[in-house]
Amino acid sequence: SQQGEEDPQALSIQEGENATMNCSYKTSINNLQWYRQNSGRGLVHLILIRSNEREKHSGRLRVTLDTSKKSSSLLITASRAADTASYFCATNTGFQKLVFGTGTRLLVSP
Amino acid sequence: DGGITQSPKYLFRKEGQNVTLSCEQNLNHDAMYWYRQDPGQGLRLIYYSQIVNDFQKGDIAEGYSVSREKKESFPLTVTSAQKNPTAFYLCASSMGSSQETQYFGPGTRLLVL
Repeated sequence: SQQGEEDPQALSIQEGENATMNCSYKTSINNLQWYRQNSGRGLVHLILIRSNEREKHSGRLRVTLDTSKKSSSLLITASRAADTASYFCATNTGFQKLVFGTGTRLLVSP
Repeated sequence: DGGITQSPKYLFRKEGQNVTLSCEQNLNHDAMYWYRQDPGQGLRLIYYSQIVNDFQKGDIAEGYSVSREKKESFPLTVTSAQKNPTAFYLCASSMGSSQETQYFGPGTRLLVL
């Protein structure tokens, strides 16, 4: 079952622009994580935000979490061509496993 | 050089054949996971293991089997009962419960001849 749904499914921007991806989920969570996947490769963990946190930063990444709306957003500032990848949110509900969303495919053009 | 390795990178299966995908980690992680990814889709959990000699079914375990005889290794067998095995298979590990971040291998692409 897919807990998270990312929006948009695909996003195309120019280098230097900001990219925003959203994730909605259905049930209460312990934490929410964002992962990145380059084409044909494994996933790389980007950032984890706990249910009692509202915002978190890591370099050019900013994640927000609104538990009342059951949603999260990932903002990548000053995008680079190397940011081209698929981005997934994953929720932990405390049942010893992560549930991944369907992903947002980001294309950053030079 | 720590990490997770998966082999082979590509695997071809003939009808009626069982095939085994390898996953090894040297991160000293207790938990390991197998996911299936279909084109344009997210990851779906097949099996996971929190400790050696113990594992649990995920959301799509039918047609798959696993073993966890060593902490470092968590092989996945795709049996002939899995009628649609063509997919990208990802192995992951984490230090403890899945509240922690997961570290992924490079994946194995399984194709059916």
